[in-house]
Amino acid sequence: RKEVEQDPGPFNVPEGATVAFNCTYSNSASQSFFWYRQDCRKEPKLLMSVYSSGNEDGRFTAQLNRASQYISLLIRDSKLSDSATYLCVVNARYSGTYKYIFGTGTRLKVLA
Amino acid sequence: NAGVTQTPKFQVLKTGQSMTLQCAQDMNHEYMSWYRQDPGMGLRLIHYSVGAGITDQGEVPNGYNVSRSTTEDFPLRLLSAAPSQTSVYFCASSYGSPGHLYTEAFFGQGTRLTVV
Repeated sequence: RKEVEQDPGPFNVPEGATVAFNCTYSNSASQSFFWYRQDCRKEPKLLMSVYSSGNEDGRFTAQLNRASQYISLLIRDSKLSDSATYLCVVNARYSGTYKYIFGTGTRLKVLA
Repeated sequence: NAGVTQTPKFQVLKTGQSMTLQCAQDMNHEYMSWYRQDPGMGLRLIHYSVGAGITDQGEVPNGYNVSRSTTEDFPLRLLSAAPSQTSVYFCASSYGSPGHLYTEAFFGQGTRLTVV
């Protein structure tokens, strides 16, 4: 089982649609959770952190479910510019040192 | 505000050649790291550093060396390039290590390396 698992997609949605991605993680001791966005042939950039209480930033809502060990990202009113790959990132501890573990990403295509 | 700067952006090497990927950050971040990104796989940690003079191995360190003589610079050296090292390489920096709660990692623009 991968440490961080994501559906690779692609998710093809029309403009204005609502789309949701899930990500599961295996390390129950993980403490920090993020969604990063990566455009084609570009570097990852932080989209939002995911807090225990859930958080929202404009059209984006992130949720954390510690009991089931998954995080989610909801995008409302999708824009063409939202087309990208969304990476789920969690921290995990190995031999006393924390590291970031990256999912393989979920690809989103928003269609006109 | 430059952030994290990586050079070169593209490189083609012949098997057996060596080279250094440069990485510099101007945010006074203590933690720096190198990742490689391959199709169908998440970013994998090669080496990391928690401060000047301190480096450690990540998940896939074989064939790579690093040094951290200053806070700003964290070069990655390929000792003897192999086709298996064909990948996209990203340097990242953050204020604290991944053990610090919700520490954002800032990435360089990446280096696309092909080894023939």
